[in-house]
Formats: sequence, C-alpha cells, structure tokens
Amino acid sequence: AQSVTQLGSHVSVSEGALVLLRCNYSSSVPPYLFWYVQYPNQGLQLLLKYTSAATLVKGINGFEAEFKKSETSFHLTKPSAHMSDAAEYFCAVSRSGTASKLTFGTGTRLQVTL
Amino acid sequence: NAGVTQTPKFQVLKTGQSMTLQCAQDMNHEYMSWYRQDPGMGLRLIHYSVGAGITDQGEVPNGYNVSRSTTEDFPLRLLSAAPSQTSVYFCASSYVPGESDTQYFGPGTRLTVL
Repeated sequence: AQSVTQLGSHVSVSEGALVLLRCNYSSSVPPYLFWYVQYPNQGLQLLLKYTSAATLVKGINGFEAEFKKSETSFHLTKPSAHMSDAAEYFCAVSRSGTASKLTFGTGTRLQVTL
Repeated sequence: NAGVTQTPKFQVLKTGQSMTLQCAQDMNHEYMSWYRQDPGMGLRLIHYSVGAGITDQGEVPNGYNVSRSTTEDFPLRLLSAAPSQTSVYFCASSYVPGESDTQYFGPGTRLTVL
C-alpha cells in the first residue's frame, strides 16, 4: 500500500525566508504525487502534481517540488515566503490503477511571521 | 461553472439521527469521492464513484452509504450518526478516473454529532 509522511506538523518561517515542507512517500510502484493547500475554512486546492513527465514540478503561487526517487521524497519549496502563504499543506499520493484514490499525509501548517 | 458544491456548510446532529450530505458538480466529471478530515489525520477516503451507477468503498466506509444515480450528484448518507463521525467532510471530483488526474474539492461540510 502506498503512503506519505509529512515531517513536521507545524512550520514557522519569516516573511521573505525559504519555505521547505517535507514529504516522503512509500510506494511499490511508480507513484503520482500531489501537493494541495487548504486556506482556513476552505476546501483543498491543487498546488502542483508529479506525473513522471519531469522531476522538477512548478506549481501555482511560486511553489515547486522535486521528485527524488533515490530519497523517496517530494519536498515542497518556495524561495520567499509571503504572509498569504499561511495555510495547511497536504502531500498526497495515488498509485497507478487505483482510479485517482488519494492517500493524504497528515498535513503541515505553515505560519509566516513578520 | 460553480465547480463542486456541498450543502449544508454546517450541521449538528444527535446520536442516532440520520442525514444526507449533498454534493454536486457541474463540470461533467466522471469521478467523485468523499473524504473526511480529522485533526492530525489528514483526509481519508470514505467512498468513491467512477461513474453513474458505480460506487466503491474507500478506507473508512463504515457508517456511510452512497449512491450515484446521475453524473452530477453524489450524496453521502449517515444512517445512524455517532460522535465518532464528527468531522469535516469534503467531496471531490475529477474528469476521468485516472491516477494522475486533478481532483477538485468542494468547500466542505462541518458535522458535529452530540
């Protein structure tokens, strides 16, 4: 069975600092990986997804993630944090043949301070 | 397009009551699913459907029923509510049931069972 592990339930960064949110996956077959963002009291919105086309994936709002098979990782980064980035971020995985069933990580809440 | 809509936004039930959470999408998506979100646990798949008339169980299906009579609608029924079903419920849809396809999430229903 596939799974994802998000290291750090809370991350705090200063405005303008690098954002790094960690995600490691476990899958016996090549995975499809996603990052979603959830703003307070809202649904989830797709930031980016990895579908094996390119290992470096660029998403919305300046976020990107790099698929590293050797490290089984798909960490999310943004060079410079903005106050509007404060939200909860979820890493998710789906496996070939599972009809888009997503398995989510437990989430990382990002706090951005002045 | 309204996207994925969910009603109600909030609901309070007493133990043993039944209710239906509504989900509708106007994007002609084949795939629809229900997730529940609990603190520290991410989102977990309850039930999903790959098309009208076809449904299947996800990770946590007990206590919930679904049906899919039309492409647009995918209601979730709680037969006899229990406090353990207190959660935020999200409906999601995607165009085709492909493992890499983007899922679009509704705004959620916050359910409290007393």
